[in-house]
Amino acid sequence: IAGITQAPTSQILAAGRRMTLRCTQDMRHNAMYWYRQDLGLGLRLIHYSNTAGTTGKGEVPDGYSVSRANTDDFPLTLASAVPSQTSVYFCASSKSGGQDEAFFGQGTRLTVV
Amino acid sequence: GQNIDQPTEMTATEGAIVQINCTYQTSGFNGLFWYQQHAGEAPTFLSYNVLDGLEEKGRFSSFLSRSKGYSYLLLKELQMKDSASYLCAVTDSNYQLIWGAGTKLIIKP
Repeated sequence: IAGITQAPTSQILAAGRRMTLRCTQDMRHNAMYWYRQDLGLGLRLIHYSNTAGTTGKGEVPDGYSVSRANTDDFPLTLASAVPSQTSVYFCASSKSGGQDEAFFGQGTRLTVV
Repeated sequence: GQNIDQPTEMTATEGAIVQINCTYQTSGFNGLFWYQQHAGEAPTFLSYNVLDGLEEKGRFSSFLSRSKGYSYLLLKELQMKDSASYLCAVTDSNYQLIWGAGTKLIIKP
């Protein structure tokens, strides 16, 4: 099934632990994004990648890292989780960038305790 | 700074028409998107405007005025399934998407 897949769907994580959220797309899109969505704040960009091998920082990058080794995968890593990283995380992709429709994964609900 | 404003919540009646406004102040403009997001789900694309005017797509229409930094999403013949949040997003001069906080639309029978 063509689309974008995230894993896990939800996770409860102890503070200080390392965690990687996985994101895979099979649409051969060049651009990929990680957002967090918190109540009343809308979607905030964490990191993005315009093409395989390149990444960039978004609005709220601190505490997060990404890699883009190939076109399909764009994992997001929390090196040492803190409670303020409790959020819903969405991965998205688009054909080539900010003027193309973005397709979103189903989201990962992360709770840091 | 960059800013996108939308009403936090709106209520409308099934079968009626509702207009959701979005005003923006961004560093440059390369297009405006509307997305729909049902509770607990991912956003899905509704419309894209880059030129002034009205784009119609079935029951949904989107309008853009670049000189006024203004857009609206018009929903006609409202159905209960239209209860959702509607997100306005603008592509800035760096081709990054700036998102509004979303408008929660409640449809009453």
